[in-house]
Amino acid sequence: GDSVTQMEGPVTLSEEAFLTINCTYTATGYPSLFWYVQYPGEGLQLLLKATKADDKGSNKGFEATYRKETTSFHLEKGSVQVSDSAVYFCALSVGSNTGKLIFGQGTTLQVKP
Amino acid sequence: DAMVIQNPRYQVTQFGKPVTLSCSQTLNHNVMYWYQQKSSQAPKLLFHYYDKDFNNEADTPDNFQSRRPNTSFCFLDIRSPGLGDAAMYLCATSRETDYEQYFGPGTRLTVT
Repeated sequence: GDSVTQMEGPVTLSEEAFLTINCTYTATGYPSLFWYVQYPGEGLQLLLKATKADDKGSNKGFEATYRKETTSFHLEKGSVQVSDSAVYFCALSVGSNTGKLIFGQGTTLQVKP
Repeated sequence: DAMVIQNPRYQVTQFGKPVTLSCSQTLNHNVMYWYQQKSSQAPKLLFHYYDKDFNNEADTPDNFQSRRPNTSFCFLDIRSPGLGDAAMYLCATSRETDYEQYFGPGTRLTVT
């Protein structure tokens, strides 16, 4: 079945370091791909998305490119801040009839000053 | 400008005592979703409404029910909460099923 796999955390970085959080997926058809962020005690916020192969989603300095050939959607940021500390979820949408999002297990990012 | 509102933010109930969680939205979206998120896990879809059409996930326990009396409101009813139902419950909305989902802040349910 459809699934999303993320790198395990926690990921601990110093401020201004480069961030990569790996995400790979398995899906039939052509899913849309998303990154959501969850700050402590809060709900999920959409960070970025891509709806077709080779699309690049970007927001707040974060980027991810939909790579169909490697079935990946890795999240990157050139210079992280302490305020980026949160849990990041990669997700895919399985189709227009259900709206169901399938999430990866989440990766906790801790950024130290 | 709250768009998806969940009340209460924290709910404590006793084992076996029915509890209702509520969600409202100001976005006028057609679709509303309920997710369960246990500690350090990914959210898991319980069910969703497309307008008034109810869609249950195959593995959602019968203990969980939902009501959507109008476009703006959706309720999650847990008929007989067990200790394993303690979790964060997230409500989300979207315009159509293949559109971006907007999440509320969640209700953290504790079962004693």
